Amino acid sequence: SQQGEEDPQALSIQEGENATMNCSYKTSINNLQWYRQNSGRGLVHLILIRSNEREKHSGRLRVTLDTSKKSSSLLITASRAADTASYFCATDAILTGGGNKLTFGTGTQLKVEL
Amino acid sequence: DAMVIQNPRYQVTQFGKPVTLSCSQTLNHNVMYWYQQKSSQAPKLLFHYYDKDFNNEADTPDNFQSRRPNTSFCFLDIRSPGLGDAAMYLCATSRDRAASYEQYFGPGTRLTVT
Repeated sequence: SQQGEEDPQALSIQEGENATMNCSYKTSINNLQWYRQNSGRGLVHLILIRSNEREKHSGRLRVTLDTSKKSSSLLITASRAADTASYFCATDAILTGGGNKLTFGTGTQLKVEL
Repeated sequence: DAMVIQNPRYQVTQFGKPVTLSCSQTLNHNVMYWYQQKSSQAPKLLFHYYDKDFNNEADTPDNFQSRRPNTSFCFLDIRSPGLGDAAMYLCATSRDRAASYEQYFGPGTRLTVT
């Protein structure tokens, strides 16, 4: 079952604007990750935030995590047309058999228009 | 460049005709995963390998099998595809167990069942 719900489901903005996507999840987490998926392609890892972190930056990306509210947000600043993609949050849990299980949210489709 | 490769990118099979999807990696990662992603949905983990140890998700249908003959290769076999198995199949890898790591995804194989 899906762990997270993302909001909004779809977002359309102009190039240069900021885009904010929110993710809520249901159970306690180990860490939370964000991925981007271009149409019909595989997922690309953007950022991992650990459960004891509140905020993390990577280039134009800023991720926050509030474990008390079981929520996370992804901010993309100064958006570009190339940022057009679907964005997924994923909670991760260590698997007994090794590796980590990602449970993905429903995703936000971002469209950045010129 | 180190990467995850999936072949073929597009696969058409007939209802009930067995099909095999392949994945290879040059990252030398211990863990390999198979996800199913149906249209406009989040990816869902089917199973994963830690080295040669196979771990099935509880709700993965018996129709889906996997083989990992060596570190580099992993196969997804669908024994009797149904129309409901039409989806994007994503292979991913991650470094090791007992820690949270990002996952590296291949471009996916889009399966059509006629």
